[in-house]
Amino acid sequence: EAQVTQNPRYLITVTGKKLTVTCSQNMNHEYMSWYRQDPGLGLRQIYYSMNVEVTDKGDVPEGYKVSRKEKRNFPLILESPSPNQTSLYFCASSPFRTGVYEQYFGPGTRLTVT
Amino acid sequence: GDSVTQMEGPVTLSEEAFLTINCTYTATGYPSLFWYVQYPGEGLQLLLKATKADDKGSNKGFEATYRKETTSFHLEKGSVQVSDSAVYFCALSDGGGDYKLSFGAGTTVTVRA
Repeated sequence: EAQVTQNPRYLITVTGKKLTVTCSQNMNHEYMSWYRQDPGLGLRQIYYSMNVEVTDKGDVPEGYKVSRKEKRNFPLILESPSPNQTSLYFCASSPFRTGVYEQYFGPGTRLTVT
Repeated sequence: GDSVTQMEGPVTLSEEAFLTINCTYTATGYPSLFWYVQYPGEGLQLLLKATKADDKGSNKGFEATYRKETTSFHLEKGSVQVSDSAVYFCALSDGGGDYKLSFGAGTTVTVRA
């Protein structure tokens, strides 16, 4: 089944404790992206990647890092989480080079930072 | 920059009622337009899309028409069911260098039996 998977689905952590949220897709998509969803704000892009070893900042990159060492994986790293990073996070992928700009989303990771 | 404005919710309807969610956008060029749906506890699913002016996207009884002259992409369904209760997001992508989706704030729809 074609899908985007994320782990963990739920995470509660404390301020300053480094964490990684994994994302994997099995559709051979070159483009991958991370979004955060906050009430009243919709989804905002954090980082994106056009291909292996190619990443760039989105609209809200502060406090996050990403890496793209393999085509299928795009982990999101919070080196020192803070309470304002409490949010619902979505990973997405897209076959953008075909001229199709829709993105396919993972199930989401709900992060709480205390 | 690109932006999407959609009607604020929440919206509460009775089963078989008509649903309209307004969406207008600001973008350079000719963006692709999307409606995504998020059911409770789940991720976002693509509901329908339109890639050029006057295109009509449709799926599961929902429809939306790409209106360039009014920069709108309103979502409609003629007869809603309880299972349509969800959050609906209007989004666009102008295919620019970052290929990002710009989302509206979302509209929560609750359908009562």
